[in-house]
Amino acid sequence: QKEVEQNSGPLSVPEGAIASLNCTYSDRGSQSFFWYRQYSGKSPELIMFIYSNGDKEDGRFTAQLNKASQYVSLLIRDSQPSDSATYLCAVNIPSGNTGKLIFGQGTTLQVKP
Amino acid sequence: DGGITQSPKYLFRKEGQNVTLSCEQNLNHDAMYWYRQDPGQGLRLIYYSQIVNDFQKGDIAEGYSVSREKKESFPLTVTSAQKNPTAFYLCASSISPTRLQPQHFGDGTRLSIL
Repeated sequence: QKEVEQNSGPLSVPEGAIASLNCTYSDRGSQSFFWYRQYSGKSPELIMFIYSNGDKEDGRFTAQLNKASQYVSLLIRDSQPSDSATYLCAVNIPSGNTGKLIFGQGTTLQVKP
Repeated sequence: DGGITQSPKYLFRKEGQNVTLSCEQNLNHDAMYWYRQDPGQGLRLIYYSQIVNDFQKGDIAEGYSVSREKKESFPLTVTSAQKNPTAFYLCASSISPTRLQPQHFGDGTRLSIL
């Protein structure tokens, strides 16, 4: 089992819809979870992070964490064509006080006008 | 502007050649990281440094070397021992190396074989 798993997609949604991106992880000790957006040919850009169970909202983005089920999701409301990108889930696998950031392979989102 | 600067944007390597990728940050971050991304793949950790003059191997360190002589700089050398170096190389930094701190990325360097 991979440490961090994402459906590679592509996930296609119409403009204005809610896009739901999911990520599962294997290490129950993980404490921090990050979502990055990566446009084609560009570097990843941090868009959300979450540490506690529940929801965290920032504008059109909501991160959801369920540690018991070991999944984290990202909801994008009112999806726009400019949201079309690959979304990378990253999970901190603990090792002492630090730990490594493990990335999923990414989910490609296509928002159709 | 504060940020992470990687250079060059594109780099070509000949057989048997070592090449060095530059990464500089002016964010006063303690921790710095190097990742490799292959097409359609997530990022894999090559090396990381939590503090000046100290660094640790990541998951795919073979064929690579690093140094951390200054807080601002974390150059990566791709040696001739790395037989498949073609990839997108990303440098990142975080305020501290604790597991709760997010990492921020530079614009990357694309390395290809001539």
